[in-house]
Amino acid sequence: DIQMTQSPSSLSASVGDRVTITCRASQSISNYLNWYQQKPGKAPKLLIYSASSLQSGVPSRFSGSGSGTDFTLTISGLQPEDFATYCCQQSYSSPPTFGQGTRLEIK
Amino acid sequence: QVQLVESGGGVVQPGRSLRLSCAASGFTFSRYPIYWVRQAPGKGLEWVAVISYDGSKKYYADSVKGRFTISRDNSKNTLYLQMNRLRTEDTALYYCARDIKLAYTSGTIDYWGQGTLVTVSS
Repeated sequence: DIQMTQSPSSLSASVGDRVTITCRASQSISNYLNWYQQKPGKAPKLLIYSASSLQSGVPSRFSGSGSGTDFTLTISGLQPEDFATYCCQQSYSSPPTFGQGTRLEIK
Repeated sequence: QVQLVESGGGVVQPGRSLRLSCAASGFTFSRYPIYWVRQAPGKGLEWVAVISYDGSKKYYADSVKGRFTISRDNSKNTLYLQMNRLRTEDTALYYCARDIKLAYTSGTIDYWGQGTLVTVSS
């Protein structure tokens, strides 16, 4: 199975900040990388698919980049509603596997 | 709008069985592959199983293969997960989720339900 490793595991930031979360795959996955946002007690929400494509309805302050094994999720201009857990997932091969998550907290 | 509503969770003893259901609405259920994904308390997401749009293909995580069975009834817009020989490590919030692609299992999920909690404990 392909292992997905995120860093950092947690992050503190302030409203208005620009933050970057990294996801690394244990082998090349081309651009088959998705990012989800998860809030306590809520269903995960797809933010970015195919490494850099913004899901419909997701604010443009969210962006994704990368290919091969290294990927990043960037949030430019943090809003109060962005404080949540972010998770990457590879869809390159079965089984689809997820990163352990990055918890974004208010500083 | 797309809705996925899971039910059937609860507390069950190790070795017993449980059947989860997921009622879908707001889209043409019969055209999409559907997943079960779980999340143990304080842990990350883990894919459990996926079923093709017509039910002809089913795939399972190694951790549940031979114990869990995914199925669907397209006439009722409902997905099922039959869980047998449950173990304590199966304790998790179980989500039903839809593939982003029509008729093709892409591995990308665009809609998730709210989940149903399964607790396996003696």
